[in-house]
Amino acid sequence: EVQLVESGGGLVQPGGSLRLSCAASGFSFSDHYMDWVRQAPGKGLEWVGRIRNKVDSYTTEYAASVKGRFTVSRDDSKNSLYLQMNSLKTEDTAVYYCARGHYDSGGYRNDHWGQGTLVTVSS
Amino acid sequence: EIVLTQSPGTLSLSPGERATLSCRASQSVSSSYLVWHQQKPGQAPRLLIYGASSRATGIPDRFSGSGSGTDFTLTITRLEPEDFAVYYCQQYGSSPYTFGQGTKLEIK
Repeated sequence: EVQLVESGGGLVQPGGSLRLSCAASGFSFSDHYMDWVRQAPGKGLEWVGRIRNKVDSYTTEYAASVKGRFTVSRDDSKNSLYLQMNSLKTEDTAVYYCARGHYDSGGYRNDHWGQGTLVTVSS
Repeated sequence: EIVLTQSPGTLSLSPGERATLSCRASQSVSSSYLVWHQQKPGQAPRLLIYGASSRATGIPDRFSGSGSGTDFTLTITRLEPEDFAVYYCQQYGSSPYTFGQGTKLEIK
């Protein structure tokens, strides 16, 4: 069974840093792209960033709202995905989800999601 | 950036009725990269449809997707009580991989 479990959320002051983790199990983690998606309280979904697999050189992409402040990384030996968040702003307050990317002849999709971890940026 | 506009914002229907949700893109999106997610309160999103028209694993056949180019539709025939939720379209064709703002399907 595919499982994604996020951790590391909490309360942080504006300007602070936080590192989120996503522990993956039940599939070959190293084969898959991984995405981070967030949802501010009462709002819609916002794609945050992506990291590709080793075959595609672990390249990353980011939403403009977080580029230069957030870094997506992975450790395939630990089946883990990370989101390093620096220079946090109040508008970064959200539930952060990790999601598995799956690509085949049917196209790309995030077919499994974690339960999310809440990040609150407030003084 | 591709903007996805979903309509209506809220759809009020009764169980057993048919729901039609729209997702319009600001520029053409390959069908291979258009998906629909369902989200219930307090839960993570769940993939319903990928490739514009393929049902994800375990999704009942009352859910169907269609469309191409800039206009996509999610149809739910014979609404069940568990179908009342928020539905999001998303595109992966061009970074940033944007979501629509969501359609809330509520019980009338």
